[in-house]
Order: sequence, then C-alpha cells, then structure tokens
Amino acid sequence: GESVGLHLPTLSVQEGDNSIINCAYSNSASDYFIWYKQESGKGPQFIIDIRSNMDKRQGQRVTVLLNKTVKHLSLQIAATQPGDSAVYFCAENTYNFNKFYFGSGTKLNVKP
Amino acid sequence: KAGVTQTPRYLIKTRGQQVTLSCSPISGHRSVSWYQQTPGQGLQFLFEYFSETQRNKGNFPGRFSGRQFSNSRSEMNVSTLELGDSALYLCASSPSSRGTGELFFGEGSRLTVL
Repeated sequence: GESVGLHLPTLSVQEGDNSIINCAYSNSASDYFIWYKQESGKGPQFIIDIRSNMDKRQGQRVTVLLNKTVKHLSLQIAATQPGDSAVYFCAENTYNFNKFYFGSGTKLNVKP
Repeated sequence: KAGVTQTPRYLIKTRGQQVTLSCSPISGHRSVSWYQQTPGQGLQFLFEYFSETQRNKGNFPGRFSGRQFSNSRSEMNVSTLELGDSALYLCASSPSSRGTGELFFGEGSRLTVL
C-alpha cells in the first residue's frame, strides 16, 4: 500500500467529456478505498469510497471501479466540469485503524 | 457543524528550531490523524490518535511527535527542524475508530524551513 510516486500525471479533458482517473495499489490486503479531490490551497475532500467486497459504486456524476485481481482502482467522472479541475488521490486502508496510504495523485485539467 | 481547524495556516522557521501545530477535529470525532504532504513524496502518514492514545505511527524520525487531549484536539511537534521538513501538514479527523470511514481533512499548516 505504500505506492507513493515522484511524478504527478496530468489528464486534460474537454468540458462535458467523461474523465477516467486510474490508481494502482500494491497491498492485496487493502479492503477499503477512498477517492479524494484536492484543490489548490485546500485540504483533500472526500469524493467516494468503496469496500473490497464491491466492484463498483456510483455517486453523483462519479463512479468508482475496483479490480482486486489486478489491484486497480478507477474514478470515472461524467460530464466533467471546470470545477472538477483539481488533483485526485486514491487512498487505501486495511482496516488498520485510520492509517491510510495515498497514491501519488493525478492532476485533472478541464478545458472550457 | 464546523470542519477540521488547523492553526497556524502558515509559518516560517529556521533550521534547528522547533514547531508545534494544532488541530481541532470535527465535534464528536475521536480519531485524529496527521499527514505530511510534499511535492516529491505526496501524502505520507505521520501518526493517528484515538482517545488520547497513539495507535499508529508512520516512518518518520523521532523528531516528529504528537499528542491528543481529552477533548480530542491534537498537536504535533517537530523538533530540530531540517530543510526537508518544509511541507503542508494535514490533520484529518474521522468518526470511525476502525478505518472504515472517510477522513475529514483540514486545510493544513504550511511550514517553510529556511
């Protein structure tokens, strides 16, 4: 679960398009996952979570997919808006109290 | 309901000094975690407190310490500051004691070490 990286990949999408942000995790024992959004100068903000006994969970305009076989998590944002521009992080936990491991993040740029 | 409050928001220190950061969790939340965020290392777990007890600690040197008070407010301290300690320090509180719920983050304390 200690998959932090040195590079921040960037995804650029057109307003109105769908966005897909990916995250690979390394700890097969992780059983709870969260996606966070962080805007410049602010703390991370919860978007959606999923437990390991699920493959998919939907929220408002967002869907999280979990593939435990390949240890992959994705966040889909429908009809992306300029306000969605931010850095997105996935976080994993092994029900180990509140010790979460965060991915390195993906920067989403939404072009008007 | 008020969110997680961190003070100070910004501070500048010199090498060798020490710093204390404060965090007030959301009312009713007994778990408080601290994370360090840097451009190179991302978000890294420092420690987590629940009911005044440290339950988990990340891979940081002993210069990093913390505590939690009976009202769930928490402080973290960094002694003998180094240039590499420059970072955004984030506090998060949670209503869950078992890591099964979201973390609510504050806006962070940005520390610059000169």
